[in-house]
Amino acid sequence: GAGVSQSPSNKVTEKGKDVELRCDPISGHTALYWYRQSLGQGLEFLIYFQGNSAPDKSGLPSDRFSAERTGGSVSTLTIQRTQQEDSAVYLCASSSRGWSYEQYFGPGTRLTVT
Amino acid sequence: SQELEQSPQSLIVQEGKNLTINCTSSKTLYGLYWYKQKYGEGLIFLMMLQKGGEEKSHEKITAKLDEKKQQSSLHITASQPSHAGIYLCGAAGRGGADGLTFGKGTHLIIQP
Repeated sequence: GAGVSQSPSNKVTEKGKDVELRCDPISGHTALYWYRQSLGQGLEFLIYFQGNSAPDKSGLPSDRFSAERTGGSVSTLTIQRTQQEDSAVYLCASSSRGWSYEQYFGPGTRLTVT
Repeated sequence: SQELEQSPQSLIVQEGKNLTINCTSSKTLYGLYWYKQKYGEGLIFLMMLQKGGEEKSHEKITAKLDEKKQQSSLHITASQPSHAGIYLCGAAGRGGADGLTFGKGTHLIIQP
């Protein structure tokens, strides 16, 4: 079956604009994760959804970041009033149940804030 | 918070040689993942280790978990150009709800 897909693959935006990044997990996977990968920070955990439970937002870097997951499937990560330091590759991953099961990653969205 | 240190940061190996990458955690490991990333691409899952002393192999790649040392090693035998990339170790925290913490990665270059 299809793997994790993300859109857009590349996004260039002006500083101060809002952006939405989309993730389609593997069908049937209940857990969904967002990570950010940048040169200086490596790969950082942002937020985790498990089924219908309230998400774990402990990794979100600021209140400009938010995420939702509709119907337990597709997720969107929204960054408001983007800053240059938000430039990074945003990766989404899903797993069949939770953290103890392997996470399958999407190809990522490369965000560039000018 | 948990930190993972990978060594070496980069590695240049002649094709056909063996190599080892290490991952050491600052805290107790409850699950250790190895991923490979080709430049500019997403992460490819390699192996997951959960029990102390566990060892798993896939083709020419073997990973081991030493729970007492809070350490894992990834060993590649008879390296090939296809092994080139960035190897990342990731660890789950207790309860797992905080996602994976990743090391900075090891850049592996295979010289023909």
